[in-house]
Amino acid sequence: DVRLLESGGGLVQRGGSLRLSCTASGYTFDFYAISWVRQAPGKGLEWVSAISGSGGSKYYADSVKGRFTISRDNSENTLYLQMNSLRVDDTAVYYCAKGRQILEWFYGMDVWGQGTTVTVSS
Amino acid sequence: QSALTQPASVSGSPGQSITISCTGTSSDVGTFDVVSWYQQHPDRAPKLIIYEVIKRPSGVSGRFTGSKSGNTASLTISGLQAEDEAHYYCCSQAGFGGGTKVTVL
Repeated sequence: DVRLLESGGGLVQRGGSLRLSCTASGYTFDFYAISWVRQAPGKGLEWVSAISGSGGSKYYADSVKGRFTISRDNSENTLYLQMNSLRVDDTAVYYCAKGRQILEWFYGMDVWGQGTTVTVSS
Repeated sequence: QSALTQPASVSGSPGQSITISCTGTSSDVGTFDVVSWYQQHPDRAPKLIIYEVIKRPSGVSGRFTGSKSGNTASLTISGLQAEDEAHYYCCSQAGFGGGTKVTVL
C-alpha cells in the first residue's frame, strides 16, 4: 500500500522557521518526483515546490522562492520542506504528493498524504 | 490569482452530465498535454481523477472524462451522483486552477 505521511507542522511566529517532513512507503521512492502542495483555510490548492527523483532538479512557486527549500533523503524515503521567513499568508495545510514521473511533477500527482497544518501568527 | 481559470461553481441534477472548464494559455494548456484533475471532498486530501488530459487512474469511475480544445481543458462528469459533490481542481505546469464547487441538486 503506497502511503505518504507528513509531519512537522505547528504554530510559529511571523518571521520564524519550520521544517516539514514527508515519509513515503510502499513504492520505490527515488523513482518519482514529489511535490508540496498547500491549501490556506477555505481556499484552493496551491502548488509550492517539487523535486525530481534524484533530487537534482528543484522547482518553486514564486510565492516561496528564496524562503523555502525542498530536499529529499532517498536512503530514508523522506521529503523535506525547510520554511524560513514565514509570513501570515503561509498559513495552510501542507500536503506532500507523489508524482507519476521521475523528473517532472506536473504529469499528475497520484498519491497524497493527509496533510500537516502550519499556522503563522502575527 | 490562479494560473488556470475555472468557474467557481457548477450544479446538476442526479443522472445529468456536467462539464467543468479550465482555461490556460498557449504556453501551457494549449501546447502541452499535461492537464490533470483532482477531486476534493471536505476535510479530505485531493484525489487524482484525470491525468495527461484524458487518462484515468485505475479505480476511478468511467463517469469522469477529460478532454481539451485549444487553451481550454474540460472535465465531464456523466450520470451525476450525490457522491460527486466536491471541489474539483485542474492543474498544469503553470499550477492549479482556482477550483470549482460541484453541487448535486
